[in-house]
Amino acid sequence: QQQVKQSPQSLIVQKGGISIINCAYENTAFDYFPWYQQFPGKGPALLIAIRPDVSEKKEGRFTISFNKSAKQFSLHIMDSQPGDSATYFCAAKGKSGNTGKLIFGQGTTLQVKP
Amino acid sequence: DTEVTQTPKHLVMGMTNKKSLKCEQHMGHRAMYWYKQKAKKPPELMFVYSYEKLSINESVPSRFSPECPNSSLLNLHLHALQPEDSALYLCASSQVWGFEVYEQYFGPGTRLTVT
Repeated sequence: QQQVKQSPQSLIVQKGGISIINCAYENTAFDYFPWYQQFPGKGPALLIAIRPDVSEKKEGRFTISFNKSAKQFSLHIMDSQPGDSATYFCAAKGKSGNTGKLIFGQGTTLQVKP
Repeated sequence: DTEVTQTPKHLVMGMTNKKSLKCEQHMGHRAMYWYKQKAKKPPELMFVYSYEKLSINESVPSRFSPECPNSSLLNLHLHALQPEDSALYLCASSQVWGFEVYEQYFGPGTRLTVT
């Protein structure tokens, strides 16, 4: 119930291509879905986030698509660049009072080839 | 500015040492977090402080002792650690909106090696 399943585990994309990472959840009480980007040896950086009352959110080359009925959400990276090579984590948060506990997916390692 | 700072960047300690990790934020966030991250794994929540009070302890061994001296600072005191405690320790913070929090911002982490 508390899990977030992320796929694929790793992804190789050519420069200029579209990278797609998927996440699925079971708990319908989740109300916030962020994506984090992490480079080796650095902390995760908040990339983009969505709430379940919206089906899509776009920020620059990054788009979250959200399917509430299927309990799935995905990150699309358009025009992927070598600098996008990193590990991406999806996450979900339930109504948690004032603690904000996140449930993370297992991560996807993205490599963008020049 | 969404900056969370952590010191030190790297720490090597023996199993009998006592050391502390420090985290600081000046965004006015009232929720602060400690996470542990092993290589190629997601961050694993350890502790949550909300309004300077410990609100979540994820069954962390007592050799890790958190402290929140004020709303901007978070410490993690380490004592008698084991080699398997070697990891990247991450601090994060969030603004609290009423009874909810959303955006959580991470610091760069402290790379801890226990010898």
